[in-house]
Amino acid sequence: GAVVSQHPSRVICKSGTSVKIECRSLDFQATTMFWYRQFPKKSLMLMATSNEGSKATYEQGVEKDKFLINHASLTLSTLTVTSAHPEDSSFYICSARDWTGASGNTIYFGEGSWLTVV
Amino acid sequence: SQKIEQNSEALNIQEGKTATLTCNYTNYSPAYLQWYRQDPGRGPVFLLLIRENEKEKRKERLKVTFDTTLKQSLFHITASQPADSATYLCALESTGGFKTIFGAGTRLFVKA
Repeated sequence: GAVVSQHPSRVICKSGTSVKIECRSLDFQATTMFWYRQFPKKSLMLMATSNEGSKATYEQGVEKDKFLINHASLTLSTLTVTSAHPEDSSFYICSARDWTGASGNTIYFGEGSWLTVV
Repeated sequence: SQKIEQNSEALNIQEGKTATLTCNYTNYSPAYLQWYRQDPGRGPVFLLLIRENEKEKRKERLKVTFDTTLKQSLFHITASQPADSATYLCALESTGGFKTIFGAGTRLFVKA
């Protein structure tokens, strides 16, 4: 079945550095992918909608220059956290929609990436 | 503003019983309502989708109801097993929209 792969699953970086997280749809094409951030015991907070071949759409309060999103192909979207600070430490999850699946509207999530900024 | 409420308190039940989780929403007219399972430190896994014109959906031991008048969905797990222990998320989506709004989830513990 449809799978979304996210990498890396865990990353530790120093304050001030940048870190890139990849999200791939493995057996379907995704013109749109979504990036979420989740704090412990909290709901998924949509950060941005990644659109293949065009600029991402960011949610209110999310800094575009801080969280760079690139969706260069139909199977890959990347999130780059620039000049990371400890408060950026969180669980980041991507998702992609498979319009061709049996439900016609199924969202598949990656396994998530734990970012720790020290 | 749009709001989804799921019981923040954990639900503890005995193995073999039916678990019932509630999802209430306000200021929203969703076309779809979805339920996901999320294990600690993992991404959510899709379970069931129910459309606004459907009252009930079943899949194996899972059953979802959708009452657009009450603005509520109930998620049932029958013959629950310890392996069903996880956090269950409710999510809403409007017609033609790409945004999916998630509740905070309810943690379920099934005791053997």
